Amino acid sequence: NAGVMQNPRHLVRRRGQEARLRCSPMKGHSHVYWYRQLPEEGLKFMVYLQKENIIDESGMPKERFSAEFPKEGPSILRIQQVVRGDSAAYFCASSPPGVGLGEQYFGPGTRLTVT
Amino acid sequence: AQKVTQAQTEISVVEKEDVTLDCVYETRDTTYYLFWYKQPPSGELVFLIRRNSFDEQNEISGRYSWNFQKSTSSFNFTITASQVVDSAVYFCALYMVQGAQKLVFGQGTRLTINP
Repeated sequence: NAGVMQNPRHLVRRRGQEARLRCSPMKGHSHVYWYRQLPEEGLKFMVYLQKENIIDESGMPKERFSAEFPKEGPSILRIQQVVRGDSAAYFCASSPPGVGLGEQYFGPGTRLTVT
Repeated sequence: AQKVTQAQTEISVVEKEDVTLDCVYETRDTTYYLFWYKQPPSGELVFLIRRNSFDEQNEISGRYSWNFQKSTSSFNFTITASQVVDSAVYFCALYMVQGAQKLVFGQGTRLTINP
């Protein structure tokens, strides 16, 4: 059973470009979470999605950031017009359906560098 | 509001010493889970333990042990006879069963084990 997959593992973008980060949850998991880890900091929650629904986006910056989890395919975290401050590690986690027990399985992360 | 505090930013010890990483949390919920994760230099997040709020028994797993004290809202992690491979950043996290299904992470403690 493959774990949570994230790609790319490393992404370099110039200021003003768009970044697309992909997350494929574990098989059978219908809940996806995105977290951001700024350099030398802990992980901060960004958004929680279920298939075709955003459940909680309280941690998402108001502008330039969006997330989706379509019926088919991976979850996408999209950052438009990236700035240097977006440089961070972005982790995706997935969990099975049902009442949460905090069982979130993390992917290896995507390291975004904005030059 | 929920919060996790890891007051120790960095700890450095010599191999074979015992070391304790502190974690203090805040929540008004009565039902919650506490976690510890390890982030080695390679960057991925490695799950170590999950503890629910109703189980205050201490847990031991090999050289690792955890002390959960609800009275002081603490969930401390001890490594006995530390090894160089234990060098990593360690994160404590809190998950509330009711409400937002997200993990709230502490800032992390960078542990360096010197040979």
